Amino acid sequence: GAGVSQSPRYKVTKRGQDVALRCDPISGHVSLYWYRQALGQGPEFLTYFNYEAQQDKSGLPNDRFSAERPEGSISTLTIQRTEQRDSAMYRCASSTGQANSGNTIYFGEGSWLTVV
Amino acid sequence: GQSLEQPSEVTAVEGAIVQINCTYQTSGFYGLSWYQQHDGGAPTFLSYNALDGLEETGRFSSFLSRSDSYGYLLLQELQMKDSASYFCADSGGYQKVTFGTGTKLQVIP
Repeated sequence: GAGVSQSPRYKVTKRGQDVALRCDPISGHVSLYWYRQALGQGPEFLTYFNYEAQQDKSGLPNDRFSAERPEGSISTLTIQRTEQRDSAMYRCASSTGQANSGNTIYFGEGSWLTVV
Repeated sequence: GQSLEQPSEVTAVEGAIVQINCTYQTSGFYGLSWYQQHDGGAPTFLSYNALDGLEETGRFSSFLSRSDSYGYLLLQELQMKDSASYFCADSGGYQKVTFGTGTKLQVIP
């Protein structure tokens, strides 16, 4: 697609429910990133993929968070047994992954998650 | 771990010049990027420094000194629309991109 597309844009869920956030990166982009951003803060790294391989998941807060990108394109971030502290903007980004381009990453509009 | 530190807030007058600093401690450093984020929007790419020195893109310039683990973003002829948050990020290659703490720039008349 023309840009990084995320869905849903807004999600309200009850504490304890599972949520799945979807990201469709820019076509042909090798690298896909998930970030979490609280109000007034910078994007906090969660995990990233090159193709279908999850290269680094060190930013995932705990084992309730997981991500996959099975075919190297669309990715899903899943949060199980949500808690109120999970409420945040979840941003997906993608890039060509090429060093000579500075690895410019392109962000989606984000999924705003509210856990009540 | 990776850390990139920035001043939290900067205020400057319309038409002036402002410099936003970034000091970093990272492993596997490739280069330094800068992103702009308006309230309610997504971060968007501004510039990238792979090598030491100054890169100029219109009113915006970015500088990197690897030996000092330091970089800055220079904004000239400030406009009201430049009011936004600015983030430095270490980036390059097939690896994770870590963002700085962010600087909220307020441009006043």
